[in-house]
Amino acid sequence: DSGVTQTPKHLITATGQRVTLRCSPRSGDLSVYWYQQSLDQGLQFLIQYYNGEERAKGNILERFSAQQFPDLHSELNLSSLELGDSALYFCASSVSPSREDIQYFGAGTRLSVL
Amino acid sequence: AQTVTQSQPEMSVQEAETVTLSCTYDTSESDYYLFWYKQPPSRQMILVIRQEAYKQQNATENRFSVNFQKAAKSFSLKISDSQLGDAAMYFCAYQIQGAQKLVFGQGTRLTINP
Repeated sequence: DSGVTQTPKHLITATGQRVTLRCSPRSGDLSVYWYQQSLDQGLQFLIQYYNGEERAKGNILERFSAQQFPDLHSELNLSSLELGDSALYFCASSVSPSREDIQYFGAGTRLSVL
Repeated sequence: AQTVTQSQPEMSVQEAETVTLSCTYDTSESDYYLFWYKQPPSRQMILVIRQEAYKQQNATENRFSVNFQKAAKSFSLKISDSQLGDAAMYFCAYQIQGAQKLVFGQGTRLTINP
């Protein structure tokens, strides 16, 4: 168990809908990362937060947004869902954004868009 | 842009034997980190081993070791005395300076034959 908690484990929804994925980082970790794992694109970095502020953006669609709250949990919001958004979404956390700090991954949320 | 290439989509090995998974990467940086992550059927991403580019000594973690060839931009993972529990997808990853995000290869599926 990495200590990173993601809910829900599975999510099934329809095209056009909006969903929210939740991540609780390890105790003491201030930095949160979101990654998407899909069959065609592999594992891709989406966005990073540190202590409530956005630090880096990757290949995140405009339909997707995220935030990190004062209690350090993070949410990834996906809207106007398309079939191609079906993927495994991972959250990872580290103590700080420093490269010396290892990223620990949660178990992921599997999103199925029908 | 930094890229990570895993040329072996699938590998198999007999239990108790040794297997080597290949990874090459492309970067213009001189200081970076390289990782191997394991993803078993549970989907959890588990850190196997980490290598710092400025360290010439190859990293080892019990039965797992790497062969880091900086000039050749090669970073292979050797698993000795393979066990059934080693069966998983293995991802090679590179950590970009500045953003701290991980860039992943496409993965190698490792099967352990009893």
